[in-house]
Amino acid sequence: GNSVTQMEGPVTLSEEAFLTINCTYTATGYPSLFWYVQYPGEGLQLLLKATKADDKGSNKGFEATYRKETTSFHLEKGSVQVSDSAVYFCALSPLRGQNFVFGPGTRLSVLP
Amino acid sequence: NAGVTQTPKFQVLKTGQSMTLQCAQDMNHEYMSWYRQDPGMGLRLIHYSVGAGITDQGEVPNGYNVSRSTTEDFPLRLLSAAPSQTSVYFCASSLVTGSTGELFFGEGSRLTVL
Repeated sequence: GNSVTQMEGPVTLSEEAFLTINCTYTATGYPSLFWYVQYPGEGLQLLLKATKADDKGSNKGFEATYRKETTSFHLEKGSVQVSDSAVYFCALSPLRGQNFVFGPGTRLSVLP
Repeated sequence: NAGVTQTPKFQVLKTGQSMTLQCAQDMNHEYMSWYRQDPGMGLRLIHYSVGAGITDQGEVPNGYNVSRSTTEDFPLRLLSAAPSQTSVYFCASSLVTGSTGELFFGEGSRLTVL
């Protein structure tokens, strides 16, 4: 079946540190891949997405590349800020008629 | 630009009471769904719908009922609330599933069952 695995954290970094949150997936066919972010007390919002192999999604300094050969979609940011403190979810959208699949979420805390 | 609207944002119930969480979207999305989010459990799918008049069970459907009489609305009913249903509930919608489109989330409804 379809599944998403990601490091669960929590991850604690100092401001301006480099961030990597690993995400790997299992799916039939060629899913679209997403990173969602959830700030404290809010719903999930789309951070970035990639719809085919080798696509790079980017937004707000975050990047992730769709790697079909390693079935991965790792999230990176070169210099995190305190305002990036949130929970990050990796997700995939599989074939038509199948539901989105979410990873367990990774809580990130950035200290000043 | 409303997107997905959930009400109420907060609710406290006593065990055995029933209630309905409302969800409405104004994007003409075919697909709507309900998730619950519990600490350490991530997001779990309760029920979903791929169009008006069509609903199906997700991962954790017991104790919940849904209906989809219109494209816009997808209410979630708790039939007889239990403390195990204390959670944060999110409604989400998408144009279709299995596409490149994203899932849009509401702001959540925090439910406490005493």
